[in-house]
Amino acid sequence: DTEVTQTPKHLVMGMTNKKSLKCEQHMGHRAMYWYKQKAKKPPELMFVYSYEKLSINESVPSRFSPECPNSSLLNLHLHALQPEDSALYLCASSQVLWTGYNEQFFGPGTRLTVL
Amino acid sequence: TQLLEQSPQFLSIQEGENLTVYCNSSSVFSSLQWYRQEPGEGPVLLVTVVTGGEVKKLKRLTFQFGDARKDSSLHITAAQPGDTGLYLCASNAGGTSYGKLTFGQGTILTVHP
Repeated sequence: DTEVTQTPKHLVMGMTNKKSLKCEQHMGHRAMYWYKQKAKKPPELMFVYSYEKLSINESVPSRFSPECPNSSLLNLHLHALQPEDSALYLCASSQVLWTGYNEQFFGPGTRLTVL
Repeated sequence: TQLLEQSPQFLSIQEGENLTVYCNSSSVFSSLQWYRQEPGEGPVLLVTVVTGGEVKKLKRLTFQFGDARKDSSLHITAAQPGDTGLYLCASNAGGTSYGKLTFGQGTILTVHP
């Protein structure tokens, strides 16, 4: 299985809602990532988990809260988002964090719209 | 922080034409990856180049890594509408930023039938 899956595919939420994005991989990868991507721009790193521990937080606002329950799952909890948070949210994984290549495998993303 | 300059930013061509996308840096790459992202999907890894002067081929796509490992190119022969998408080069940031991929700004390719 060489796939990273993400649910839901699309999400529309109000600014007062609480929702969660889910990501799953069964490749045995021990590094997992959350990215935010605006249209026609490269992905922007948000968080990196290595062996289920938060390794990098790119100064992301606290309305985004990541969670890594186990080595296969990665969640992103959303609360009190702003319309400018509307974007494609991508999950990715790689074998381990400390390699020269850092080849990352991306999921299809969740298209988030904040009203 | 290593910066990747990717060009051109936009490319609109007819089916059957050839094209080249460039990725350059003032710093030496330890390795460089090329990704393609189709509309509404996540990026897909196409290739990783590691050795200076390396050339890799993937069907109609040819990837080159400069001898000094500061530049790379992606050449597509006889482009097809299915090649349409966002092409991204990326490199591992390294040092204390290990685990972070630095992306180029991307090339949006449109191939018209």
